Amino acid sequence: GDSVTQMEGPVTLSEEAFLTINCTYTATGYPSLFWYVQYPGEGLQLLLKATKADDKGSNKGFEATYRKETTSFHLEKGSVQVSDSAVYFCALSPGAGGTSYGKLTFGQGTILTVHP
Amino acid sequence: KAGVTQTPRYLIKTRGQQVTLSCSPISGHRSVSWYQQTPGQGLQFLFEYFSETQRNKGNFPGRFSGRQFSNSRSEMNVSTLELGDSALYLCASSPEGQDQPQHFGDGTRLSIL
Repeated sequence: GDSVTQMEGPVTLSEEAFLTINCTYTATGYPSLFWYVQYPGEGLQLLLKATKADDKGSNKGFEATYRKETTSFHLEKGSVQVSDSAVYFCALSPGAGGTSYGKLTFGQGTILTVHP
Repeated sequence: KAGVTQTPRYLIKTRGQQVTLSCSPISGHRSVSWYQQTPGQGLQFLFEYFSETQRNKGNFPGRFSGRQFSNSRSEMNVSTLELGDSALYLCASSPEGQDQPQHFGDGTRLSIL
């Protein structure tokens, strides 16, 4: 079945440092890929998405590129802020034409803490 | 546009009881999915409803059930509660289409005593 693997966490950085959170996946067909962020006491917020190979999703300074050859979707940000401290989840859905309706498969989540 | 609304935000129950959680999707979204989030198992898919029909189901026992109404609002029910059912239950809605992102509510925190 489909699976998503995120880098082992947690990740602790100083403000303005460069961020990379690795994500690799296993899926049949052409999945859509997503990054979600969860702040304490809240649900998940969509951060960015990519629906086909070589697509780059971007939002709020975060970027991720859908790499089909390496089955990866790594999250990057050039300069993190204290307000970026949260839990980040990589996820996939079967993509257009898939029949596993409404099911997102998530990675285990990566806790990011940014210090001033 | 209003987001996904889940009620109640917090619930405390005892073993053996049953519970019903409610979810109102974003207006126009017809697909509603439910997830269980725990520290040990992470985010796990429960089921998905579209146009009042369950189209997909995860690997949970029959004690977990759901339904969707004609206005797309959804409920999930857990019967004979167990200690291990303590979790954050998240609802998400999306437009039709497997490449569409899901939008999540803030969840219902269920604690079993």
